[in-house]
Amino acid sequence: RKEVEQDPGPFNVPEGATVAFNCTYSNSASQSFFWYRQDCRKEPKLLMSVYSSGNEDGRFTAQLNRASQYISLLIRDSKLSDSATYLCVVGSNFGNEKLTFGTGTRLTIIP
Amino acid sequence: NAGVTQTPKFQVLKTGQSMTLQCAQDMNHNSMYWYRQDPGMGLRLIYYSASEGTTDKGEVPNGYNVSRLNKREFSLRLESAAPSQTSVYFCAIRGRQGAVGYTFGSGTRLTVV
Repeated sequence: RKEVEQDPGPFNVPEGATVAFNCTYSNSASQSFFWYRQDCRKEPKLLMSVYSSGNEDGRFTAQLNRASQYISLLIRDSKLSDSATYLCVVGSNFGNEKLTFGTGTRLTIIP
Repeated sequence: NAGVTQTPKFQVLKTGQSMTLQCAQDMNHNSMYWYRQDPGMGLRLIYYSASEGTTDKGEVPNGYNVSRLNKREFSLRLESAAPSQTSVYFCAIRGRQGAVGYTFGSGTRLTVV
């Protein structure tokens, strides 16, 4: 089983729609959680951290379910500029942290 | 990409050739990392350095060596390149402004023929 698993997609979604991505992780000792965005042929960039209580940043909402070892990302009112690959990322400890990346979910917003 | 500079951006090598990928940061962070990214495999950790003078193996270290030259610089060396090392290589440092995520360099696209 992969440490971090994501549906690779692709998700093709009309502009203005709401889309949700899910991710599961295998290490119950994981302490930190993130969503990264990666545009084609570019480096990954931090989209948002994911906190136990859930958190929101504009049109983006992230949630964490530690019991089920499950992370989600919700994008509301999707824009053409949201087209990218979204990487689910999990960290093993707070100290000298090493992050494990999922393979990513590809999203295309259709005009 | 502010904070992390990688060179070169592109490179083509013949099998058996050697090269060094350079990474430099101006964020004064202790931890630096080298990842490779392959289609369908995601980002995989090659080596990391928790601080100046220390390096540790990651998930896929075979065929690579690293040097943490000083706090700013962390280089990745391929002593004898193989076609299986064709990949996109990213250097990363731990976050910025207190965030614990990583900041990545813009990557090096390496092709070994």
